[in-house]
Amino acid sequence: DGGITQSPKYLFRKEGQNVTLSCEQNLNHDAMYWYRQDPGQGLRLIYYSQIVNDFQKGDIAEGYSVSREKKESFPLTVTSAQKNPTAFYLCASGTDRGVQPQHFGDGTRLSIL
Amino acid sequence: AQSVTQLGSHVSVSEGALVLLRCNYSSSVPPYLFWYVQYPNQGLQLLLKYTSAATLVKGINGFEAEFKKSETSFHLTKPSAHMSDAAEYFCARISGNTGKLIFGQGTTLQVKP
Repeated sequence: DGGITQSPKYLFRKEGQNVTLSCEQNLNHDAMYWYRQDPGQGLRLIYYSQIVNDFQKGDIAEGYSVSREKKESFPLTVTSAQKNPTAFYLCASGTDRGVQPQHFGDGTRLSIL
Repeated sequence: AQSVTQLGSHVSVSEGALVLLRCNYSSSVPPYLFWYVQYPNQGLQLLLKYTSAATLVKGINGFEAEFKKSETSFHLTKPSAHMSDAAEYFCARISGNTGKLIFGQGTTLQVKP
């Protein structure tokens, strides 16, 4: 079955450490997205990519970085510059080249040790 | 600023009762509007979307939403709640400035037996 796989499901970060969240899709979608979800705030867009080797900042990109070397992969790195990284991170993909995501992964919950 | 507002962060209904989740948008030009559902520790699933073709939109799982321009609303309804409907629901719109999704704060639906 086609879908989006996020790993790991739970992740813990130490102070000053960079961590990378994985997102893989086998839907052949051009567009991929990363969202951050905090209680009572809905989802906020971190980065998005409409095509391989290209990506754009979303609303809250500071402290995060991404790459899009392959169509099916869009990893997110949470750097030590992100001072409040504890959140639920959702990856999504879509065919509309940036209009809306159509499929979401099951998320990675990141916590600080 | 363009936004969506969900009225009520928590809604509780009895099984078999009407479900009504409220969403209002801000803008003079009617946007594309969406409702998503999120079950615990999972990603989002698209319930339905409004793209100006029809004001009453039917979605999955028996949900529907009516676009009312005069009230700038897009409320989600279901005639009879099931226990399986317990989840968090997000209203979202396409931003006219960025073309990206903007999410509301979310409404948690509790269904009591």
